[in-house]
Amino acid sequence: QKEVEQNSGPLSVPEGAIASLNCTYSDRVSQSFFWYRQYSGKSPELIMSIYSNGDKEDGRFTAQLNKASQYVSLLIRDSQPSDSATYLCAVNQAPGGYQKVTFGTGTKLQVIP
Amino acid sequence: EAGVAQSPRYKIIEKRQSVAFWCNPISGHATLYWYQQILGQGPKLLIQFQNNGVVDDSQLPKDRFSAERLKGVDSTLKIQPAKLEDSAVYLCASSLTGGMNTEAFFGQGTRLTVV
Repeated sequence: QKEVEQNSGPLSVPEGAIASLNCTYSDRVSQSFFWYRQYSGKSPELIMSIYSNGDKEDGRFTAQLNKASQYVSLLIRDSQPSDSATYLCAVNQAPGGYQKVTFGTGTKLQVIP
Repeated sequence: EAGVAQSPRYKIIEKRQSVAFWCNPISGHATLYWYQQILGQGPKLLIQFQNNGVVDDSQLPKDRFSAERLKGVDSTLKIQPAKLEDSAVYLCASSLTGGMNTEAFFGQGTRLTVV
């Protein structure tokens, strides 16, 4: 089992719709969770972080964390063509007190105008 | 605030040659990471420094890869000798500390092609 699993996609949604991206992780002691956006040929850019169970909203983005079920998701409301990118889920396992971040393979999102 | 700087942006070498990449983190960031990202995959951590000490190099192929961070600031990653499967983007990232909830910021990456 991979440490961090994501559906590679592509996930296609029409402009204005809600895009739902999911991620599961294997290590129950994982402490913090990040969503990065990566445009083709560019480096990852942090868009959301979440540390406790529940929802965290930032503009059109909502991150959801359920530690009991070991999943984290990202919702993008009112999807725009500019949201088309690969979304990387990253999980921090923090062994020994230092950050150890493992990335999933990413989900490619396509927003259709 | 200046971001993470990396050079070169692109490099093409023949297999068995050596190559080095350079990274300058965000000023004041104690933690520096080198990731390898193969096309279609997520970034894989190669090595993590806290100041100038190594805290994690468990996935670094030490027979051919080496990295150093002199004076706790700039870092270099070297591959010697390179193999075809080393073709990837090498990403440097930094964070303020290496603690649990700190966020990492990435440089533009170096795209390496081994032929």
